[in-house]
Amino acid sequence: ETGVTQSPTHLIKTRGQQVTLRCSSQSGHNTVSWYQQALGQGPQFIFQYYREEENGRGNFPPRFSGLQFPNYSSELNVNALELDDSALYLCASSRQLAGGLADTQYFGPGTRLTVL
Amino acid sequence: GESVGLHLPTLSVQEGDNSIINCAYSNSASDYFIWYKQESGKGPQFIIDIRSNMDKRQGQRVTVLLNKTVKHLSLQIAATQPGDSAVYFCAAPGGSQGNLIFGKGTKLSVKP
Repeated sequence: ETGVTQSPTHLIKTRGQQVTLRCSSQSGHNTVSWYQQALGQGPQFIFQYYREEENGRGNFPPRFSGLQFPNYSSELNVNALELDDSALYLCASSRQLAGGLADTQYFGPGTRLTVL
Repeated sequence: GESVGLHLPTLSVQEGDNSIINCAYSNSASDYFIWYKQESGKGPQFIIDIRSNMDKRQGQRVTVLLNKTVKHLSLQIAATQPGDSAVYFCAAPGGSQGNLIFGKGTKLSVKP
């Protein structure tokens, strides 16, 4: 088991609502990445946070936003929920190495979001 | 950008046999590859990684082989056990900072 925790484990929302998902990174890690995993697919990168700033983003619309706090924990916020946002949301923590290289990403258990 | 893909969506092996899961990648400049195991209802679990300056790396019961010539890597699991049943993903860094590109995964089933 990694030291990455996520809350809540499951969540049901209706279309148009907003949701906040939380992630605590593993001890010693300063970087958090968020992924969306649809059923039967591999995880897709949403964005990464380092030093409380977004420093990389995948192909997701602006209604997906995030925060990182001084203790390196992070939040993923999704506004105006759509049915297709139903998925497993994963966060992964890692260390940022010298030269901007990232170390291995360790994943949390995920939050299962269902949008009705 | 990078893309990774697994050759077979499912693999069924007998308990005690060796398993081989294959993966192809597109970007010859990729310098780091990771294998993850994902059990039902859980997040991906790191298994082993390999840098492009290596051809082979061994862990506990697992070996990753990297063939840069044909842009192919494989995960070998020795003496496969029922607890190895899961979906296995290969991943590689994409173009964006922090981005890992995952394939669709291979579901490994172990028959007793």
